[in-house]
Amino acid sequence: EPEVTQTPSHQVTQMGQEVILRCVPISNHLYFYWYRQILGQKVEFLVSFYNNEISEKSEIFDDQFSVERPDGSNFTLKIRSTKLEDSAMYFCASSKTASYNEQFFGPGTRLTVL
Amino acid sequence: QQQVKQSPQSLIVQKGGISIINCAYENTAFDYFPWYQQFPGKGPALLIAIRPDVSEKKEGRFTISFNKSAKQFSLHIMDSQPGDSATYFCAASDTGNQFYFGTGTSLTVIP
Repeated sequence: EPEVTQTPSHQVTQMGQEVILRCVPISNHLYFYWYRQILGQKVEFLVSFYNNEISEKSEIFDDQFSVERPDGSNFTLKIRSTKLEDSAMYFCASSKTASYNEQFFGPGTRLTVL
Repeated sequence: QQQVKQSPQSLIVQKGGISIINCAYENTAFDYFPWYQQFPGKGPALLIAIRPDVSEKKEGRFTISFNKSAKQFSLHIMDSQPGDSATYFCAASDTGNQFYFGTGTSLTVIP
């Protein structure tokens, strides 16, 4: 069964450093998403991406964040200058079509900012 | 306005019992309500979802009950099994893309 994969599973970085989280969505999916979950808190939407453009983003997704689909398979989330409060589990998701369609989540990348 | 409130935070049920998790929302523009199941070390996985044009949706042992006037919806797990032990998240959306999640319910089913 196809699944969303994410690398690395755990990333430790120093405050102020740039990190890139990588995702490989399901191959025939066209819509891609990033969510984060701070430990013990709810899952929060960050951004959705379609046709090489951001289609929606939340207030959390400020100028420190960017997304990219650098090739036909990868979808990345970059955090330019990490803060302590960026420590969280980051989930990538993808869906076949837009709107009201099942979003398939990856296993997540745990980001720890020291 | 965009909050989805979920209760209880944790739930312990005997095998064979009924597990009930409740969610409430404020935004009347929400029109898609999925439930996600998450096992440790895994990402959330869609369990069942409902649109507000129906009051109930059943898939196997899982049922969503939806009360549009009260702005509440709930997940019922019938004949709960130890394999159902997981964290359950309700969510809501008004665009079908951006989901607003509840805080999660940790369900433990005791054999």
